[in-house]
Amino acid sequence: GDSVTQMEGPVTLSEEACLTINCTYTATGYPSLFWYVQYPGEGLQLLLKATKADDKGSNKGFEATYRKETTSFHLEKGSVQVSDSAVYFCALGNTDKLIFGTGTRLQVFP
Amino acid sequence: DTAVSQTPKYLVTQMGNDKSIKCEQNLGHDTMYWYKQDSKKFLKIMFSYNNKELIINETVPNRFSPKSPDKAHLNLHINSLELGDSAVYFCASSLMLTGLKNIQYFGAGTRLSVL
Repeated sequence: GDSVTQMEGPVTLSEEACLTINCTYTATGYPSLFWYVQYPGEGLQLLLKATKADDKGSNKGFEATYRKETTSFHLEKGSVQVSDSAVYFCALGNTDKLIFGTGTRLQVFP
Repeated sequence: DTAVSQTPKYLVTQMGNDKSIKCEQNLGHDTMYWYKQDSKKFLKIMFSYNNKELIINETVPNRFSPKSPDKAHLNLHINSLELGDSAVYFCASSLMLTGLKNIQYFGAGTRLSVL
């Protein structure tokens, strides 16, 4: 079945460091790909999405490119802030549901 | 104005009790979901409803019974609570069933602790 694998956390960075969180997927058909973010004590919210191969999703300085050839959707940001500390979930959307990765906790220190 | 609201935010109860969690969305969406998030943050879908009809039931024990009185509400009733039911439960909604393009909007979660 369809699945999502993302890197284990926590990822610990200093402010202004570069971020990459790896995400790969297995799917039949042509899924959409999403990154959701969960801030402490809150529900998940959409960060960005891409609906077809080579699409780049971007929001709040984060970006991710839908790579069909490597079945990947890695999340990147050039300069993280303390306020980016959260849990990040990669997700795959198929015909009837979202399938989430296990989440990666990001901790950014001043 | 909260888009997806669930109550209560916290629920502490004894093993064997029965409890309910309520969820309401004011987005006009057709599809609603319940997810369970364990202590390691792993998020797993439990149920989805589309226009009050059950679509997905992901091998959840029969003690869990969702009820959708209308499109805007999806409640979760849990009978005979067990220690392993302790988790954060999230309600979500989306415009329609397909996950291909539809964004899901999540509530803030209900933290259930079974003692």
